[in-house]
Amino acid sequence: GAGVSQSPSNKVTEKGKDVELRCDPISGHTALYWYRQRLGQGLEFLIYFQGNSAPDKSGLPSDRFSAERTGESVSTLTIQRTQQEDSAVYLCASSLGSETDIPNYNSPLHFGNGTRLTVT
Amino acid sequence: RKEVEQDPGPFNVPEGATVAFNCTYSNSASQSFFWYRQDCRKEPKLLMSVYSSGNEDGRFTAQLNRASQYISLLIRDSKLSDSATYLCVVNMRKLTGGGNKLTFGTGTQLKVEL
Repeated sequence: GAGVSQSPSNKVTEKGKDVELRCDPISGHTALYWYRQRLGQGLEFLIYFQGNSAPDKSGLPSDRFSAERTGESVSTLTIQRTQQEDSAVYLCASSLGSETDIPNYNSPLHFGNGTRLTVT
Repeated sequence: RKEVEQDPGPFNVPEGATVAFNCTYSNSASQSFFWYRQDCRKEPKLLMSVYSSGNEDGRFTAQLNRASQYISLLIRDSKLSDSATYLCVVNMRKLTGGGNKLTFGTGTQLKVEL
């Protein structure tokens, strides 16, 4: 079956430009997560969606970062005025998990292949 | 203290060895636990969930110790293909704002050698 799809797979942009990263989760997955992973580092949580709402935006590093989700499906992560420190792999993941699905042993995260962002 | 901590390694072991990793978590309200595997320059993939009573999947055994707030992963008869970074993931239901908070450890690197 179709997994989590992210596009583009690679993006090179100039400092100061805006970029949009797209995530298509697995159909029916209500929870969607964005993570960032710098080279050789662990996963850094950015934002979490439950349906189209984002109950947890605590990981967004600055107001240059924003994300939305529509139709309980596609999500877009936008980075405005990109900086070199934004260079990383941006990973999207989805799961069946809902607010009441505790414990969600049966709803682990499924990751996309990521978007490798390079800001020059 | 980090919410989820792992020894970064690397753990260099010979093929056929048994190796174990631990992961400690700080929040006693944590409710579900997973081990993920990440190969170099690839996305993380679920290895196994961790059940309260412990669980086994082939050569892999996961344990949970709630009293001491850690989970463990044991790999028996390690293979060259087991070389990867193993990520501990802890899920806690948020009391305010709703939803779940999934926190990843920074991973433990395993290198299995001939």
